[in-house]
Amino acid sequence: EVQLVQSGAEVKKPGESLKIACKGSGYSFTIYWIAWVRQMPGKGLEWMGIIHPGDSDTTYSPSFQGQVTISADKSINTAYLQWNSLKASDTAMYYCARRNWFSGSNRFDLWGQGTLVTVSS
Amino acid sequence: SYVLTQPPSVSVAPGQTARITCGGNNIGSRSVHWYQQKPGQAPVLVVYDDSDRPSGIPERFSGSNSGNTATLTITRVEAGDEADYYCQVWDNSNDHPVFGGGTKLTVL
Repeated sequence: EVQLVQSGAEVKKPGESLKIACKGSGYSFTIYWIAWVRQMPGKGLEWMGIIHPGDSDTTYSPSFQGQVTISADKSINTAYLQWNSLKASDTAMYYCARRNWFSGSNRFDLWGQGTLVTVSS
Repeated sequence: SYVLTQPPSVSVAPGQTARITCGGNNIGSRSVHWYQQKPGQAPVLVVYDDSDRPSGIPERFSGSNSGNTATLTITRVEAGDEADYYCQVWDNSNDHPVFGGGTKLTVL
């Protein structure tokens, strides 16, 4: 089955670090870009950044540049989203999504189930 | 940067047709994709490249795109179609995706 499976919900304190994961299966993981998308409570979808697992080429949204780190380990078909120092405002649902860029379409045709991150003292 | 504008909400009675718009400068020259997000679930692609449907998406879902407006049309609306809908394009100048603000579809 073609799928993206994300790591489980996290509850953290402000200032703590965190790394969440997105594991792909059922397709060639290294040829599709993986994006991370934030959804704050009751709000819309915000693109955070994107990585090509094949060569780890990464682009960040200006809104998230320097705030998070996106990485990938192609040997285990997994992409990561990492924070060094969480803030309460990082409380949100985070989705990974596969970018289907063939034929110039640039759509997100496969989504993970989401990882809820709660940051509270 | 490129901006997509969606109405915050659309309401429709069961069995009727819902039309959700996505406005952008000359959006007709871009490929538009639509996602459905039901409460507590991840988004799902329902229309891509303006008017194509992924496998498994009912024919009731269709799309069009011209000028400054793209439209997602849902015919014979059912209670199960109640969800948030997002449009998306790719901003080639900055090489990143752009999402609309989302439209909440309410089935009366």
